[in-house]
Amino acid sequence: DTGVSQNPRHKITKRGQNVTFRCDPISEHNRLYWYRQTLGQGPEFLTYFQNEAQLEKSRLLSDRFSAERPKGSFSTLEIQRTEQGDSAMYLCASSFYNMGETQYFGPGTRLLVL
Amino acid sequence: GESVGLHLPTLSVQEGDNSIINCAYSNSASDYFIWYKQESGKGPQFIIDIRSNMDKRQGQRVTVLLNKTVKHLSLQIAATQPGDSAVYFCAETDNNDMRFGAGTRLTVKP
Repeated sequence: DTGVSQNPRHKITKRGQNVTFRCDPISEHNRLYWYRQTLGQGPEFLTYFQNEAQLEKSRLLSDRFSAERPKGSFSTLEIQRTEQGDSAMYLCASSFYNMGETQYFGPGTRLLVL
Repeated sequence: GESVGLHLPTLSVQEGDNSIINCAYSNSASDYFIWYKQESGKGPQFIIDIRSNMDKRQGQRVTVLLNKTVKHLSLQIAATQPGDSAVYFCAETDNNDMRFGAGTRLTVKP
């Protein structure tokens, strides 16, 4: 499968715990995006990388959220001290800049905070 | 149309009919528009895109129309099939970030 992959697909955690999600983009794509999607809503942009540089992070929901893409390939999204309101689907997408901005999405990680 | 919370706009069509899903966008600087299809439990799937220098683009069974004057985008699906049942999102970008509409749930009746 050469599409965007995300792990884990599902995560249940207790309030206050830290969680980390991983995204592996399409291999030749240089841009990687993170979104959050709550039930009945469209994806909400959080942050994106071009190669290893994080070009936009002001939309991260709070300072409990952070993302990395250390080698310009896979990325991780970490949520510290999770809250029940963090329960959502976290989507990753990738694209190849300069060849249109079509973003291809992964299957998402569904987070449930108890 | 607009939606609030869990109340997605819905469209129900008969199998074989044509479907039209509408979307209003807000940013006049947006220059690239995409329609995505999302099935339950899956990530959004690219359907078709259009740049702001065009007003119509056709794909296989799908057509996107862009009216920049009124900031309106539509997706037409010809000969709708049961497999087309999903939530459809329009997205706009000005190359800084991508903004999604709330989505329209399409139900195809056999």
